Amino acid sequence: DQQVKQNSPSLSVQEGRISILNCDYTNSMFDYFLWYKKYPAEGPTFLISISSIKDKNEDGRFTVFLNKSAKHLSLHIVPSQPGDSAVYFCAASGQAGTALIFGKGTTLSVSS
Amino acid sequence: DTAVSQTPKYLVTQMGNDKSIKCEQNLGHDTMYWYKQDSKKFLKIMFSYNNKELIINETVPNRFSPKSPDKAHLNLHINSLELGDSAVYFCASSQAGAPRTGELFFGEGSRLTVL
Repeated sequence: DQQVKQNSPSLSVQEGRISILNCDYTNSMFDYFLWYKKYPAEGPTFLISISSIKDKNEDGRFTVFLNKSAKHLSLHIVPSQPGDSAVYFCAASGQAGTALIFGKGTTLSVSS
Repeated sequence: DTAVSQTPKYLVTQMGNDKSIKCEQNLGHDTMYWYKQDSKKFLKIMFSYNNKELIINETVPNRFSPKSPDKAHLNLHINSLELGDSAVYFCASSQAGAPRTGELFFGEGSRLTVL
């Protein structure tokens, strides 16, 4: 029962172009969403988050968009850089005291 | 100076053995977690402790027993290891109330291989 789905296992983008990573969720109780980035042999690190009261949050080159009616969020990276090559995990949280639920991750490859 | 450190990073063992993975955080956080990343790549919560008290215990076989001697440590002991236990186990910590109060900080992971 996948409550958080990242249907694209991989994405390849050229340096300087936009990367768009997608995430869908099924649980309508989720109200806080996050993206984590993971390099090989390292733990995931926090990238950006968004609350369900917003539909957009921006931090430098990274922007997360939330479409509550579609239960969909996306992460935009622009411009993409080779150092962005990593696995990106979408995660969601419901009521306080419940754990973060992660997707399977999307591997982003940015070529120079 | 690693914020969340796990030992060992790699562990290869035989079926039926008992093993432990240790985790320590120096961030002063109240809450610690164990996540499992299996072959399908999902990161799944196993346990969460807040100030040494168990607050989340997902559907995990009772062969897995977490122990929190103090709020800076959360160790994972696994009895009678099975092939399906092979995975990468991630420890994490956060302030109470995360993620709304702050992010989760993850360790580098401990790759367990059961032969």
